[in-house]
Amino acid sequence: DSGVTQTPKHLITATGQRVTLRCSPRSGDLSVYWYQQSLDQGLQFLIHYYNGEERAKGNILERFSAQQFPDLHSELNLSSLELGDSALYFCASSVVPVGDTQYFGPGTRLTVL
Amino acid sequence: ELKVEQNPLFLSMQEGKNYTIYCNYSTTSDRLYWYRQDPGKSLESLFVLLSNGAVKQEGRLMASLDTKARLSTLHITAAVHDLSATYFCAVDPYGGGADGLTFGKGTHLIIQP
Repeated sequence: DSGVTQTPKHLITATGQRVTLRCSPRSGDLSVYWYQQSLDQGLQFLIHYYNGEERAKGNILERFSAQQFPDLHSELNLSSLELGDSALYFCASSVVPVGDTQYFGPGTRLTVL
Repeated sequence: ELKVEQNPLFLSMQEGKNYTIYCNYSTTSDRLYWYRQDPGKSLESLFVLLSNGAVKQEGRLMASLDTKARLSTLHITAAVHDLSATYFCAVDPYGGGADGLTFGKGTHLIIQP
């Protein structure tokens, strides 16, 4: 158990819908990263928040957005869902963003029908 | 664009044998991470390598980093069945951690009795 929690574990929804994935980092960690894992794209970095502020964007679609709240939990919002958005979504946290181990949560498996 | 290439992508080996997984990357970086993933599970941090020549060992696994060659290796000694998993290397592209990690495609390792 890494100490990072994610809810829900599984999510099944329909195309065109909007969902919100939630992540609570390890106690004391200020950085939260979101990653997407799919069979065809592998593991891809989406976005990074540090202490409430966006630090970097990776291959995140415009239909996706995220935020980090004052209590440091983070939410990833996915809208206008397409079949290709079906994937495992991981969040990871670290104390600081430089050279620190990123600890991964258990993931949310999203299925878009 | 940073590229991280692992080889082999699939490896079947017998218990008791030694083998090495290779991770090549295309940009200068001195921060290299190894993770393990069991089927349907999250990513578990194995090693963080933060400088040229860094070598770390845990049990039957040993990782090393050559930043000049842009190469990291994960060596498995006297493999046991419990080491069966998918192993990912990941690179921090600019050494600052802000941009998230770029992952290789993973090496699917099966260790047979």
